[in-house]
Amino acid sequence: KQEVTQIPAALSVPEGENLVLNCSFTDSAIYNLQWFRQDPGKGLTSLLLIQSSQREQTSGRLNASLDKSSGRSTLYIAASQPGDSATYLCAVRDDYKLSFGAGTTVTVRA
Amino acid sequence: ETGVTQSPTHLIKTRGQQVTLRCSSQSGHNTVSWYQQALGQGPQFIFQYYREEENGRGNFPPRFSGLQFPNYSSELNVNALELDDSALYLCASSTTGNYGYTFGSGTRLTVV
Repeated sequence: KQEVTQIPAALSVPEGENLVLNCSFTDSAIYNLQWFRQDPGKGLTSLLLIQSSQREQTSGRLNASLDKSSGRSTLYIAASQPGDSATYLCAVRDDYKLSFGAGTTVTVRA
Repeated sequence: ETGVTQSPTHLIKTRGQQVTLRCSSQSGHNTVSWYQQALGQGPQFIFQYYREEENGRGNFPPRFSGLQFPNYSSELNVNALELDDSALYLCASSTTGNYGYTFGSGTRLTVV
């Protein structure tokens, strides 16, 4: 059974600081890994999708890396802004489902 | 291109009742999945539908059931509601292949 862990559970940083969010998973037989953002009480917004054959993916201030053999992914957010405050979830896909971590809740202080 | 839409947004039901949640998948997507997210936790996979058939199921009892229609929209039905069924229910759509999932805004179900 796939287990996904996200560390830290919560993070508070001043505006402008870079964010580093970690995700680990126990079974490396994945098709891809997806990072999502979730605002309180809302649905999930996809940020980045990394295929199992890729090492990293970038979109604007966001960069995600994937090391499938060691079961790790890292999401970097450069020059954080108060609008980046949210919960960030990573999810790994196998066969027909996503397995999620519990998320990292980020607060960016102005 | 329309995204995934879910209805209703909020719902309050009494223990023992039955509920139906609805989802319209993103245009061009043929697969729909349902997830349950309890407060403070990550979403948990309930089941997935492809070509109107359930083709994957998580660790949920049979009182959780679903349907997928020819237009790829879907319903999640929950019978004999329990207090622990209170959660955010998320619908996600995707297409065959190693593509990502698109999620809707969710339905917040409260069982009292």
